[in-house]
Amino acid sequence: AQSVSQHNHHVILSEAASLELGCNYSYGGTVNLFWYVQYPGQHLQLLLKYFSGDPLVKGIKGFEAEFIKSKFSFNLRKPSVQWSDTAEYFCAVTAFTGTASKLTFGTGTRLQVTL
Amino acid sequence: GAVVSQHPSRVICKSGTSVKIECRSLDFQATTMFWYRQFPKKSLMLMATSNEGSKATYEQGVEKDKFLINHASLTLSTLTVTSAHPEDSSFYICSAPLGLAGGDNEQYFGPGTRLTVT
Repeated sequence: AQSVSQHNHHVILSEAASLELGCNYSYGGTVNLFWYVQYPGQHLQLLLKYFSGDPLVKGIKGFEAEFIKSKFSFNLRKPSVQWSDTAEYFCAVTAFTGTASKLTFGTGTRLQVTL
Repeated sequence: GAVVSQHPSRVICKSGTSVKIECRSLDFQATTMFWYRQFPKKSLMLMATSNEGSKATYEQGVEKDKFLINHASLTLSTLTVTSAHPEDSSFYICSAPLGLAGGDNEQYFGPGTRLTVT
């Protein structure tokens, strides 16, 4: 079974600082990788996803992530965070089982951006 | 984008009673929906896969007799927490993939239901 690790549980940054959130997964086969964001009081939204092709994926709101297969990593980055980026960020992976793609989530990273 | 709704958004019930949570895909059909449970400061844990027209598939450790799932139509799945106990208090979230539930189809999440059992 696949698993996902997010090592940063709580990150506090000042506005304009650069962001990198770590995500490592464990699975021997082909996976699809996702980053979801949950703003306070709102539902989970997709930030970006990687299925195949260019390992550097660009998502919404200036976020990007790089898939490094050799490191089983899919770290999320943003060059300059804004106060509105304050949210919970979840890395997730699906391993297609042939009938349904089940998402396995990491424990989440709470990002707090201060003014 | 696709929209998934949940009802109710918040429910408080007494220990021993049953609670039903609805998950609806508002503008698309979903043959498969997923139910998750989110513990405070922890990740989302997949509980079960709801399949329209057939039995739900439960993850290991999830009691199927306690968490009853019914996928009544292509736009509605329900989760009933039977004989609820305080330890069932949690945030329950559903999701539905747009298109076939496989491969590269994005899942859309409902806003969640906060269940508190007193």
